[in-house]
Amino acid sequence: DTAVSQTPKYLVTQMGNDKSIKCEQNLGHDTMYWYKQDSKKFLKIMFSYNNKELIINETVPNRFSPKSPDKAHLNLHINSLELGDSAVYFCASSQEVVVNTGELFFGEGSRLTVL
Amino acid sequence: GQQLNQSPQSMFIQEGEDVSMNCTSSSIFNTWLWYKQDPGEGPVLLIALYKAGELTSNGRLTAQFGTTRKDSFLNISASIPSDVGIYFCAGQLGAGNNRKLIWGLGTSLAVNP
Repeated sequence: DTAVSQTPKYLVTQMGNDKSIKCEQNLGHDTMYWYKQDSKKFLKIMFSYNNKELIINETVPNRFSPKSPDKAHLNLHINSLELGDSAVYFCASSQEVVVNTGELFFGEGSRLTVL
Repeated sequence: GQQLNQSPQSMFIQEGEDVSMNCTSSSIFNTWLWYKQDPGEGPVLLIALYKAGELTSNGRLTAQFGTTRKDSFLNISASIPSDVGIYFCAGQLGAGNNRKLIWGLGTSLAVNP
């Protein structure tokens, strides 16, 4: 079983479109994240949710809207896609309550290409 | 904001050589983490360090939490082709909902068989 799974793995779309990326974790973790990895491989946190509540929102344009229907899911919706949104988006999860080892478990990434 | 200086940015070595990379910061961290990202995959934790001065090994990998809590290094001994990938350091500040991970820019490792 995949611990953190995100879909789709690849997404090619036109500028101006709206798209979503879904993420699910079956680890029972209470915190989930979205990271953006650009072409230079820098990992930049976008959002963090703890038990469905937004914890971190790192100066991300409001075209990006995360949604957490329950603590096992954190989806990312992007409106009015721009060329600069092209990147690999990683979902991750961690256990914050009771035991905090600092370890994040990442999904395989979703490569978004905006044409 | 806080930054981590990770070096070197990239390395190209021969199989069998030892590798060393490090991260430094002006901030004090309570945890240091080293991750590896294989091509086409997400980062995976290699080693976590929780105490200043701590030296931890995981197979051919050795990492240390600097005594000043502002730096850490990762060594890989006797490199093999599957060591190829990007290595990231990350330092943790705070705890609970105030926890924040600061990431290095990565060290890209290529190993020539």
